[in-house]
Amino acid sequence: AQSVTQPDIHITVSEGASLELRCNYSYGATPYLFWYVQSPGQGLQLLLKYFSGDTLVQGIKGFEAEFKRSQSSFNLRKPSVHWSDAAEYFCAVGADDYKLSFGAGTTVTVRA
Amino acid sequence: DGGITQSPKYLFRKEGQNVTLSCEQNLNHDAMYWYRQDPGQGLRLIYYSQIVNDFQKGDIAEGYSVSREKKESFPLTVTSAQKNPTAFYLCASGKTQGRTGANVLTFGAGSRLTVL
Repeated sequence: AQSVTQPDIHITVSEGASLELRCNYSYGATPYLFWYVQSPGQGLQLLLKYFSGDTLVQGIKGFEAEFKRSQSSFNLRKPSVHWSDAAEYFCAVGADDYKLSFGAGTTVTVRA
Repeated sequence: DGGITQSPKYLFRKEGQNVTLSCEQNLNHDAMYWYRQDPGQGLRLIYYSQIVNDFQKGDIAEGYSVSREKKESFPLTVTSAQKNPTAFYLCASGKTQGRTGANVLTFGAGSRLTVL
């Protein structure tokens, strides 16, 4: 079965600084990878996804992620953070069984 | 607008009572899912359904039940057998990506259940 680890529970970043959120997955075959964002008390919104092809994936809101098979990672990055990026971010992995497994999430705080 | 509607947004129940959470989608997605979210634990899969009249248990199905009589609807019942039901419940629908066996999920806004 597939699983995801997000090593950082909480990250604080200054507005305008860069952001990188780590995600490591465990799965024997090629995984399908996702990043979602959640504002407090709300549902999850898809930021980006990787199924195949180019390992650098562009998403919404200026986010990008890079799939590195050798490191079993799918880290999320943003060059310049805005205050509205404060939220909880979830990495998820899917396989050919229609199930999606989520990490525990990383909470991002943006300071002025 | 197409989307997923979960109701109620907030629900309180007494111990020993069953409660049903509603989830309706108008995205014409084949698949639907229920996840439970607890602080620090991410999302855990309760049940999922790939087609009407069929559903599978997820990782934490004990104490929960579902039905899928219509493509648009996937209600979740939290039974009295669920020992710790207080949580945030998220419903999602899924669209299969190409020829893969994976769905891209769209989530509802969630229902917060509190057991008194």
